[in-house]
Amino acid sequence: EVQLVESGGGLVKPGGSLRLSCAASGFTFSSYSMNWVRQAPGKGLEWVSSISSSSSYIYYADSVKGRFTISRDNAKNSLYLQMNSLRAEDTAVYYCARDRDGSYSLDYWGQGTLVTVSS
Amino acid sequence: QSALTQPASVSGSPGQSITISCTGTSSDVGGYNYVSWYQQHPGKAPKLMIYEVSNRPSGVSNRFSGSKSGNTASLTISGLQAEDEADYYCSSYTSSSTLPVVFGGGTKLTVL
Repeated sequence: EVQLVESGGGLVKPGGSLRLSCAASGFTFSSYSMNWVRQAPGKGLEWVSSISSSSSYIYYADSVKGRFTISRDNAKNSLYLQMNSLRAEDTAVYYCARDRDGSYSLDYWGQGTLVTVSS
Repeated sequence: QSALTQPASVSGSPGQSITISCTGTSSDVGGYNYVSWYQQHPGKAPKLMIYEVSNRPSGVSNRFSGSKSGNTASLTISGLQAEDEADYYCSSYTSSSTLPVVFGGGTKLTVL
């Protein structure tokens, strides 16, 4: 059974940092592109970042570029999102999700982890 | 990145069919067959319902279908059921952004 479990969310002050993790199981993690998608309270989905299977290709939304860093450790079946210089508008539930086949269709999602940026 | 355009809300009665539109440009919806649709119930993670415009993942009801014409993609739900009430989001590959994928703003489906 495919499972994605996020962790690392919490309350952080503006300007602070947080590192999210996503533990994957039930599939060959190293064969799939992975993604972070967020959803602010009461708002729609926003694609945050994508990383290819071998980390060769990495993309960011303009809203987080220069502040967030996506990475993965295929040996540990884990995906990460390092978030620096956090702003109030980064407050959201952050989901990690698997790309089904490289066509940006996300077929498995984690349960999400809440990040709250507030003083 | 500019979001794809979806209606804020649609509604229908049980047994009816409804269609949700997703309008983009030739740089995204119109230019590629990489449109996906997601269903999200309150407090839950999104679920992939349609990929590559019209393909259903295993386990998704055949009451859900997808299509595309020009720069507009559509999700049709036939035989509406109470459990279909949810938010629906489209997404598409895009060549016009540094992040090669964009979501629609979402559509709230109400089953009357």
